[in-house]
Amino acid sequence: DIQMTQSPSSLPASLGDRVTITCRASQDIGNYLRWFQQKPGKSPRLMIYGATNLANGVPSRFSGSRSGSDYSLTINSLESEDMAIYYCLQHNEYPYTFGAGTKLELK
Amino acid sequence: EVQLVESGGGLVQPGRSLKLSCAASGFTFSNYYMAWVRQAPKKGLEWVATISTSGSRTYYPDSVKGRFTISRDNAKSSLYLQMNSLKSEDTATYYCARGGADDWGQGVMVTVSS
Repeated sequence: DIQMTQSPSSLPASLGDRVTITCRASQDIGNYLRWFQQKPGKSPRLMIYGATNLANGVPSRFSGSRSGSDYSLTINSLESEDMAIYYCLQHNEYPYTFGAGTKLELK
Repeated sequence: EVQLVESGGGLVQPGRSLKLSCAASGFTFSNYYMAWVRQAPKKGLEWVATISTSGSRTYYPDSVKGRFTISRDNAKSSLYLQMNSLKSEDTATYYCARGGADDWGQGVMVTVSS
């Protein structure tokens, strides 16, 4: 199975900060990488697909990038509504696998 | 608007069975792969099963292979997950998801305990 190593597990940040979360794939997954946001008690929400594409309705302060086997989610100018847990997902081959999650919280 | 509504969860004893359902609306169900994803309490996400548009192909991780069966009824726009030989580690919220998790249901809780 493809392992997705996500870091950091916890990310304290202040409003207005620029933050980056990274997932490293254990095998080549091309651009078959998605990012999800999950708030407490809610279902996950698709934020980024195809490693770099913004999903419908997602604010432009979110962006995705790739460097080799490293995939990153960046949030510019952090807002209070962005506090959540973020997960990456590889869907290049079955079984699809998620990263362990990054909890973004106010410093 | 895409809607996915899960049902069928509850408390079940270890070794018993349970069947989850997901009613889909707001899109052409038969055109999409569908999936189940679960989340144990206070834990991360785990992809549990995927089914092709016709239902002819299914995919599972080793953790549920041989115990869980995903199926669909395109005429009823419904997705199912038959869970057999349940274990305590199957305790989780189970989400129905469209395609590559473009959209998610609200989730249904399954608790496996004696």
